Amino acid sequence: EAGVTQFPSHSVIEKGQTVTLRCDPISGHDNLYWYRRVMGKEIKFLLHFVKESKQDESGMPNNRFLAERTGGTYSTLKVQPAELEDSGVYFCASSQRLAANEQFFGPGTRLTVL
Amino acid sequence: AQKITQTQPGMFVQEKEAVTLDCTYDTSDPSYGLFWYKQPSSGEMIFLIYQGSYDQQNATEGRYSLNFQKARKSANLVISASQLGDSAMYFCAMRVSPYSGAGSYQLTFGKGTKLSVIP
Repeated sequence: EAGVTQFPSHSVIEKGQTVTLRCDPISGHDNLYWYRRVMGKEIKFLLHFVKESKQDESGMPNNRFLAERTGGTYSTLKVQPAELEDSGVYFCASSQRLAANEQFFGPGTRLTVL
Repeated sequence: AQKITQTQPGMFVQEKEAVTLDCTYDTSDPSYGLFWYKQPSSGEMIFLIYQGSYDQQNATEGRYSLNFQKARKSANLVISASQLGDSAMYFCAMRVSPYSGAGSYQLTFGKGTKLSVIP
């Protein structure tokens, strides 16, 4: 069974540019989460999809971030326009059930905004 | 609000020795889950072990065990017989139900402990 995959693994962009991160959850996992770790800080929750619906987007920092999950399969997280403080590692996780004993994480996308 | 505290920024352990990584948590929700993840230098987050708040016994997974002390709100990870490959960052995390104030079954993480295994 394939794990959670994320693309790209690294992205270096300039301030003001747009970047789109992609996450493919484990097949059959309805729940998809985005998290972010900014350098030196804790891993923070961004948002949660159940299938194609946003269950909770309380962790999204501002309206420069837009997440979608069309068709309830893969998800994208777009940052537009990117700012310096957006640099960090963006993780995607998925689980089969809401109160699952596991959330499986992807390898993360390291975003650097110059 | 939910909070995870990992007080050890870094730990050293001799190969083949056991090590305990500390984690305390704070929540008013009676139903919660506690997770430990390992993040090696390659960056991926590897799930290690899970403990539910109503579980009667401490969780174990191979060389990993979770020392769950509910009254003290602690969930320490014990790694037995440390190996060089155990050198990594270790994160403690908690999941509470949406009814406690969190919007969903999101995980709240601690700052992590960097474990270094010495040959």
